[in-house]
Amino acid sequence: SQKIEQNSEALNIQEGKTATLTCNYTNYSPAYLQWYRQDPGRGPVFLLLIRENEKEKRKERLKVTFDTTLKQSLFHITASQPADSATYLCARLRRALTFGSGTRLQVQP
Amino acid sequence: EAGVTQFPSHSVIEKGQTVTLRCDPISGHDNLYWYRRVMGKEIKFLLHFVKESKQDESGMPNNRFLAERTGGTYSTLKVQPAELEDSGVYFCASSPLQGLETQYFGPGTRLLVL
Repeated sequence: SQKIEQNSEALNIQEGKTATLTCNYTNYSPAYLQWYRQDPGRGPVFLLLIRENEKEKRKERLKVTFDTTLKQSLFHITASQPADSATYLCARLRRALTFGSGTRLQVQP
Repeated sequence: EAGVTQFPSHSVIEKGQTVTLRCDPISGHDNLYWYRRVMGKEIKFLLHFVKESKQDESGMPNNRFLAERTGGTYSTLKVQPAELEDSGVYFCASSPLQGLETQYFGPGTRLLVL
């Protein structure tokens, strides 16, 4: 069965730097990968979706890439701010969502 | 527009008791999903409704869990009898029938079984 893996539990960076989070998948390539943000005590909030045939997708300070050779998606936040501190979840969409375990991002002022 | 709401926000019960969680999806959303996150693990799919019909219940852990969506509006998830390992956060999500890509999540119900 396919697994979605986010190997970094936590990432600490300085304000203004670019945060890069990694999501790896096993076996076959998912048709869609999504990224969600989750704040403590709240449900996940959808950020971006990237399709298998798209290499890159952007939304304001966010960028997602999809590399089917490496079986990997990268999620970038440029010019990071303390307000970006949250847990970021990668998920495969196939009818329902299969989530990775998440990466907790802390942006230091 | 109101988002997905869940009730209660927290529930503490004893092993063997029954608990019923409720989810009100965004109005007009035909897809309704239940997910669960147990301590230290990733969020996992439980089941999927399209309107009042169960489309996929492959994630339901066992027959102590019963989900319903009468009338295709709100949904309930009942755990009877609750076990210690059922503790976790239960999320509900909804999406429009034609827009399968984005799911809108509720805040979750935190269940603690003692």
